Amino acid sequence: EDQVTQSPEALRLQEGESSSLNCSYTVSGLRGLFWYRQDPGKGPEFLFTLYSAGEEKEKERLKATLTKKESFLHITAPKPEDSATYLCAVAPMDSSYKLIFGSGTRLLVRP
Amino acid sequence: NAGVTQTPKFQVLKTGQSMTLQCAQDMNHNSMYWYRQDPGMGLRLIYYSASEGTTDKGEVPNGYNVSRLNKREFSLRLESAAPSQTSVYFCASSESGIKAGVRNEQFFGPGTRLTVL
Repeated sequence: EDQVTQSPEALRLQEGESSSLNCSYTVSGLRGLFWYRQDPGKGPEFLFTLYSAGEEKEKERLKATLTKKESFLHITAPKPEDSATYLCAVAPMDSSYKLIFGSGTRLLVRP
Repeated sequence: NAGVTQTPKFQVLKTGQSMTLQCAQDMNHNSMYWYRQDPGMGLRLIYYSASEGTTDKGEVPNGYNVSRLNKREFSLRLESAAPSQTSVYFCASSESGIKAGVRNEQFFGPGTRLTVL
């Protein structure tokens, strides 16, 4: 069964304190792995897509990496505005349309 | 551009009542999706429409029906609401299915918060 597990469930950081969020997945063939950001009361917003092991993508203080079993979202010197829930999703090879989401990591960055 | 819009924003139903959630996108996207989000469970795909005129079941389709009214609009219907359908419902759209090497972004609406008593 295809599955996505995110850890930790919640993370509190001080402003400037770098850390990483983990997304472990089991899927019968990976079409792509996605990271989204979700603010309270809003819909998810796209961050990155990764397709193959070794691939990396960066945007401002965020960097996403991918291995054959997991993905990491590295947050460097976070600011309070980075506080949000970060969602990981995988697209299995057997469908061009289905995404399987993890339950997310709630990040709080304190000033 | 408004992106993806959903109506209503909030709804309270009694068990057994029916309702339709509306979704529209103005990005000329081919593909549209309905998800539900429950605490601790992440987003789960209910139905999707790969292109105008087609619909397919996702992970949790039981108790729901959908209609792709035209390229812009994709509605979700609850025929006989149950407390287990209390959730936040998100509509999303994308240019097409997932293709290697491109952005493949899904654009999400603001959600409908549904409570079934």
